[in-house]
Amino acid sequence: DTEVTQTPKHLVMGMTNKKSLKCEQHMGHRAMYWYKQKAKKPPELMFVYSYEKLSINESVPSRFSPECPNSSLLNLHLHALQPEDSALYLCASSPSRDRDPYNSPLHFGNGTRLTVT
Amino acid sequence: QQPVQSPQAVILREGEDAVINCSSSKALYSVHWYRQKHGEAPVFLMILLKGGEQKGHEKISASFNEKKQQSSLYLTASQLSYSGTYFCGTEPRVNYGGSQGNLIFGKGTKLSVKP
Repeated sequence: DTEVTQTPKHLVMGMTNKKSLKCEQHMGHRAMYWYKQKAKKPPELMFVYSYEKLSINESVPSRFSPECPNSSLLNLHLHALQPEDSALYLCASSPSRDRDPYNSPLHFGNGTRLTVT
Repeated sequence: QQPVQSPQAVILREGEDAVINCSSSKALYSVHWYRQKHGEAPVFLMILLKGGEQKGHEKISASFNEKKQQSSLYLTASQLSYSGTYFCGTEPRVNYGGSQGNLIFGKGTKLSVKP
């Protein structure tokens, strides 16, 4: 079991739907991440939140909208997706690197398997 | 910015050793190593920050040559449980010497350990 919980585990949505992915951690981590992973490919960074503020957006299309309501929760809102957006969406968290950069490994959730039809 | 990993795949017998390499064209703040098994999330192995640094984790260790912007992961006396895809992740160093926190993964090395 991982300490980063992602829901739902599987999601099928049409191109006109609006849905949200949820990620939760209770380890006191202050950095949270969204990665997208296609089959047999590496995780691809989408967004980084640091202290609940968006610090990195890797030129992700606006049909993906992240939200960090508090330090434990990270959402990814999805709207008007394309079939090529089908992938495993991984959330990760890490402690703040300010005090100890060695103590900043990413803890991944098990992901949400998204299929866009 | 994506680091380059080699080899793409390795097949070992139990007890054999392997080396996985990771190189970047950018100055690096840190190198991370993760292992991902099929259908599972990536699992953290280790972080290296300082040039010349070597770290060990049981029979898995790594080195970081900051000058060459390269890192290597060493797996000795491999076990069946070592099978999976190994990713290096690199954080580019920014002007002030730190990092923005953008960990970018290489394409991965698929390791298969056979009995």
